[in-house]
Amino acid sequence: DTGVSQDPRHKITKRGQNVTFRCDPISEHNRLYWYRQTLGQGPEFLTYFQNEAQLEKSRLLSDRFSAERPKGSFSTLEIQRTEQGDSAMYLCASSLTSSGHGTDTQYFGPGTRLTVL
Amino acid sequence: GQNIDQPTEMTATEGAIVQINCTYQTSGFNGLFWYQQHAGEAPTFLSYNVLDGLEEKGRFSSFLSRSKGYSYLLLKELQMKDSASYLCAVRDSNYQLIWGAGTKLIIKP
Repeated sequence: DTGVSQDPRHKITKRGQNVTFRCDPISEHNRLYWYRQTLGQGPEFLTYFQNEAQLEKSRLLSDRFSAERPKGSFSTLEIQRTEQGDSAMYLCASSLTSSGHGTDTQYFGPGTRLTVL
Repeated sequence: GQNIDQPTEMTATEGAIVQINCTYQTSGFNGLFWYQQHAGEAPTFLSYNVLDGLEEKGRFSSFLSRSKGYSYLLLKELQMKDSASYLCAVRDSNYQLIWGAGTKLIIKP
């Protein structure tokens, strides 16, 4: 257990429905990342926050995806009008970055497995 | 473009040593990470290299050559629980992690 939690662990939904996932990072970590991973591939970057500011979003990310981190603690990732191609593991990671960046190691939560029927 | 290459799959015997290679071409370099990922689980951090040379952590060691764009992860005294995928990731000039597809390591008794 890395200290990063995600909820739910599994989600099955029908095509066209909206889904929302939650991530609670390690409490003192200021950076929070969302990734998507499909079988046999490495994690694909979606977006990240430093405190409450969303600093970067993947150019490949559809506008159906939105993420928030309203108080700089937990974050939510929403997918609107889900498609079968959205089926994947959604991973959240957090890190503590300081001046000069240092190691800035990312620690991952257990993931949310999404299945779109 | 940015690219991380790792072998797709490797097989080794319990008790033996295995070396998993990673080559990279990225826009800038600010460190290389190795993660272990068991099937259906999240990646867990193994090692970090930012300077050339070998970093040792128990049964696991990681090596980096920045001039060659090359790293390897060395696993000694293999145990069945080491069966997992091993992911190489490079932090680029934008401080984003670029991930390889992972190497699936199969350990046989």
